[in-house]
Formats: sequence, C-alpha cells, structure tokens
Amino acid sequence: DAGITQSPRYKITETGRQVTLMCHQTWSHSYMFWYRQDLGHGLRLIYYSAAADITDKGEVPDGYVVSRSKTENFPLTLESATRSQTSVYFCASREVGTYEQYFGPGTRLTVT
Amino acid sequence: AQRVTQPEKLLSVFKGAPVELKCNYSYSGSPELFWYVQYSRQRLQLLLRHISRESIKGFTADLNKGETSFHLKKPFAQEEDSAMYYCALGAGGTSYGKLTFGQGTILTVHP
Repeated sequence: DAGITQSPRYKITETGRQVTLMCHQTWSHSYMFWYRQDLGHGLRLIYYSAAADITDKGEVPDGYVVSRSKTENFPLTLESATRSQTSVYFCASREVGTYEQYFGPGTRLTVT
Repeated sequence: AQRVTQPEKLLSVFKGAPVELKCNYSYSGSPELFWYVQYSRQRLQLLLRHISRESIKGFTADLNKGETSFHLKKPFAQEEDSAMYYCALGAGGTSYGKLTFGQGTILTVHP
C-alpha cells in the first residue's frame, strides 16, 4: 500500500517488556517523526530523523530508542515498558522543503 | 522557543451555529501555521495551511501576526465537523525544522 503505515495497530504488553512499534513509508520522504498522543498533552514529539542514520531527540525521548537504517522505515522501541508509556503513538513523514507532515494511522499501546 | 496554545480543550456548539477554535502562538521568526484534524480513531490529516489561504470544508483561518493568532472559523457547523483539532506551528527552517502542536481542541457539534 502506498503511504505511511504502522504496525501493530493495537498492542498490550506488560511492564518491563521490550516493545517495538514499526513505521513504514513508501514516499521516500527524508524526514520521519514519532509522536505520542495523550489527553491534556496533545501531540508530543519523541524522536525524529532527517535521513537514514540521522536521528535526534524530541520533547519526550526518555525510555525510547529509535533507529533508521533504511529511508522507508523508522522503528520505535520501548526498552522496558512502563505504565506511563500507555498512549497512542503516531508516526509521520515529510519531504524536504515543507513543514507539512503526513501521519500514519497510529498504534494504541497499553502497558499493564 | 516556539509555543502553541489552544485555550479550549473542549468546545460544544449546535448544528448551524458559528464555531471558532482559538490558536495563539509564540515565535520570534516568521511562522508557518497549520490546522490538522483528527476524526474519531483516525489519523491526523491536514485541514488548512495559512500560506495557501484556502477554505476547506467551509473552514477558514487567518494569520494575525499582531495578535500572534491563527483562529479556525466556520460560519455554520455541521455534525460531521465533530473531531479533535490541532493547531501547529512550523519553525526552524524546512531543512531541519519541526512542527510544534498545541494541546488540541475537541469539537462536538450537537444536532
């Protein structure tokens, strides 16, 4: 499918487990982003990437790890999940020369 | 640093009534402002960008640099407008800049 996809769409995990959320885009956009969406906080940037092998921290990076070995993929890993990481996670991408971002469908993560 | 404030977390109107979702920003440079909309359990999608001065689904937004505002307006709300609305500020240059989002406003349009 063309566009930006995320998997899994829903995930329940236990405290302390490692979890990886996948993001894939078919546009070859240089920039990719990970956000978490929480009521009362809106969208907060976790990590972003300007190109393969170039990543940087956003507003709330603690407890998360990212990698970008290929332009089209940008996985987000929770190394040891905590209840406070229960959230909806959105991946986004954009082209060079514009701020406009395109969002994936989201992953709803519950940490028990 | 840039900041976006949406003062209303919840906004309720009746169908056919005018609606205005407020957005204020702080940024010392020249901003680009956007409105994104998220319908129930769907992905965020771009609604408006200030540089194109377009009207989408009857919504308009004017950038007021004097008041540092970018309020979203619609003269006659429809039930299908019920959604979460985010105001976003683009800053830092498009070569490495990011979007800063407000906290969002949940709009409910009652029949």
